[in-house]
Amino acid sequence: AQSVTQPDIHITVSEGASLELRCNYSYGATPYLFWYVQSPGQGLQLLLKYFSGDTLVQGIKGFEAEFKRSQSSFNLRKPSVHWSDAAEYFCAGTNSGYALNFGKGTSLLVTP
Amino acid sequence: DTGVSQDPRHKITKRGQNVTFRCDPISEHNRLYWYRQTLGQGPEFLTYFQNEAQLEKSRLLSDRFSAERPKGSFSTLEIQRTEQGDSAMYLCASSPGLSLGTQYFGPGTRLLVL
Repeated sequence: AQSVTQPDIHITVSEGASLELRCNYSYGATPYLFWYVQSPGQGLQLLLKYFSGDTLVQGIKGFEAEFKRSQSSFNLRKPSVHWSDAAEYFCAGTNSGYALNFGKGTSLLVTP
Repeated sequence: DTGVSQDPRHKITKRGQNVTFRCDPISEHNRLYWYRQTLGQGPEFLTYFQNEAQLEKSRLLSDRFSAERPKGSFSTLEIQRTEQGDSAMYLCASSPGLSLGTQYFGPGTRLLVL
């Protein structure tokens, strides 16, 4: 079945430390891949997306993600985390062009 | 440019009642999507529209769920005879154009069925 998996339910990092959130996908063909962030009371905001081409994708708020076909992964990274980055992060994929399949999310806690 | 708006933001209802949610997409966005998000889960796709045409509805959760987009602008999602298991956040998104486009999400309507 087509799916996206986020292995980590919770991640805690210190402010200023680097961050990597994991995402694995299971699709017959390379899907379109996305990372969204959801803060309490806020809608989902797109951080970045991968359709094709350069496998290192730059997004907003200093985030980047790398598509690795050999590992079926699309991990999200940030070199230095800010307290305002605390939120729920969702990886999503689609090859239908309309129905996004979301992972269960990773909750990020940032400590002082 | 206003974003996707949803109304109401919160709804409390009793089991067996019907509820209707409204979504106003970003103007000129042709596609409109509905998702459901339960606690601790990612959003789950329900249905989508291209203008006024509902092109995919097989993933609506049951025949108690229906959606409309009569004039290709705003959309409504109705749940008839609500059950406690319907308690969730209902999210709407819209995207431009005919091909794959970024989906922009609204803040959601949180439904609680007592």
